[in-house]
Amino acid sequence: EAGVAQSPRYKIIEKRQSVAFWCNPISGHATLYWYQQILGQGPKLLIQFQNNGVVDDSQLPKDRFSAERLKGVDSTLKIQPAKLEDSAVYLCASSFGTASEQYFGPGTRLTVT
Amino acid sequence: GQQVMQIPQYQHVQEGEDFTTYCNSSTTLSNIQWYKQRPGGHPVFLIQLVKSGEVKKQKRLTFQFGEAKKNSSLHITATQTTDVGTYFCAGIHAGGTSYGKLTFGQGTILTVHP
Repeated sequence: EAGVAQSPRYKIIEKRQSVAFWCNPISGHATLYWYQQILGQGPKLLIQFQNNGVVDDSQLPKDRFSAERLKGVDSTLKIQPAKLEDSAVYLCASSFGTASEQYFGPGTRLTVT
Repeated sequence: GQQVMQIPQYQHVQEGEDFTTYCNSSTTLSNIQWYKQRPGGHPVFLIQLVKSGEVKKQKRLTFQFGEAKKNSSLHITATQTTDVGTYFCAGIHAGGTSYGKLTFGQGTILTVHP
């Protein structure tokens, strides 16, 4: 079966610019996650969707980050405006249900200069 | 906050030696998952442990979940160069409405010298 798809794979922007990432989860997976992984650290959950509803966004910096999952399938994560500390790999993952194994996409490596 | 601590941060071994990484939580976990991330890659699911005291094996890998469901370990017997990567534990904290939110440890980076 096809895995989790993400685009773009790499993005370089200047601080204060905006950027958007796209994720297409595995077909049939109701739960979708966005993680931020800073070099040398474990992934940190930013937001979790169950179908098209948000079930956890407690660690999402809502003043600059936003995410949506229209129609309960694809999802986009946006940063506006970006800061230097946002440089990281943004990982999308999906799972059949909550608390089950997660399948990760290849990630988007963001560099903010 | 709910944290999952993982040690050691780095482990360098000679091929053929054993390797163990440990994971500890300040609160009880409903389950724990282990992932492997190759250099430049993304995390790949290895296993999930749910029961107190559970032990699972995958070839040379042995996973344990503590009796109190607050700690876990991954042991690799006779490491090979293909074992290189970062091993993460990730726990779901029991109670509340966590909706299966995984909290990842900081990972153990394993290098294997041939």
